[in-house]
Amino acid sequence: EAQVTQNPRYLITVTGKKLTVTCSQNMNHEYMSWYRQDPGLGLRQIYYSMNVEVTDKGDVPEGYKVSRKEKRNFPLILESPSPNQTSLYFCASSYRLAGRNEQFFGPGTRLTVL
Amino acid sequence: AQTVTQSQPEMSVQEAETVTLSCTYDTSENNYYLFWYKQPPSRQMILVIRQEAYKQQNATENRFSVNFQKAAKSFSLKISDSQLGDTAMYFCAFMKHASDNDMRFGAGTRLTVKP
Repeated sequence: EAQVTQNPRYLITVTGKKLTVTCSQNMNHEYMSWYRQDPGLGLRQIYYSMNVEVTDKGDVPEGYKVSRKEKRNFPLILESPSPNQTSLYFCASSYRLAGRNEQFFGPGTRLTVL
Repeated sequence: AQTVTQSQPEMSVQEAETVTLSCTYDTSENNYYLFWYKQPPSRQMILVIRQEAYKQQNATENRFSVNFQKAAKSFSLKISDSQLGDTAMYFCAFMKHASDNDMRFGAGTRLTVKP
């Protein structure tokens, strides 16, 4: 089954404790992205990657890191989480071809930073 | 920068009736893509419908159709014969063009279908 998977689905942590949210897709998509969803703000892009070893900042990159060592994986790293990073996080992937570039989303990760 | 505006934070509709969700966007581009995504209580983001800006014909997918007004930069979603399973948050999204997968989302409209 074609899908984007994220782990964990739920996470409660404390300020300053490093964490990683994993994202994996099995559709051979070139493009991957991370979003955070907050009430009244919709989805805002954190980081994106056009292909392996190519990453770039989105609209709200502060406090986050990413890596793209393999095509299928795109982990999101919070080196020192803070309460303002409490949010719902989505990973997404897509092709980079005209007519096939709608994004497929993972199931979301609910993160709470105390 | 492109912006997407959904001016209706919440809407409700009676089962079997029709409802229209509004979306406007701001861009100087001529070629771009527009999307509506549905997010039910499960939180999964589900693509409902997409529209290419170069196509004049409005996209339709079963009970879902759009009214794309390029000059007015408007992209509304019409849901016909509303069903209880349509209850969800709906997001309008804009993508500049095929080689740039940067997608911009509106703030969302929470739709409740009442029995």
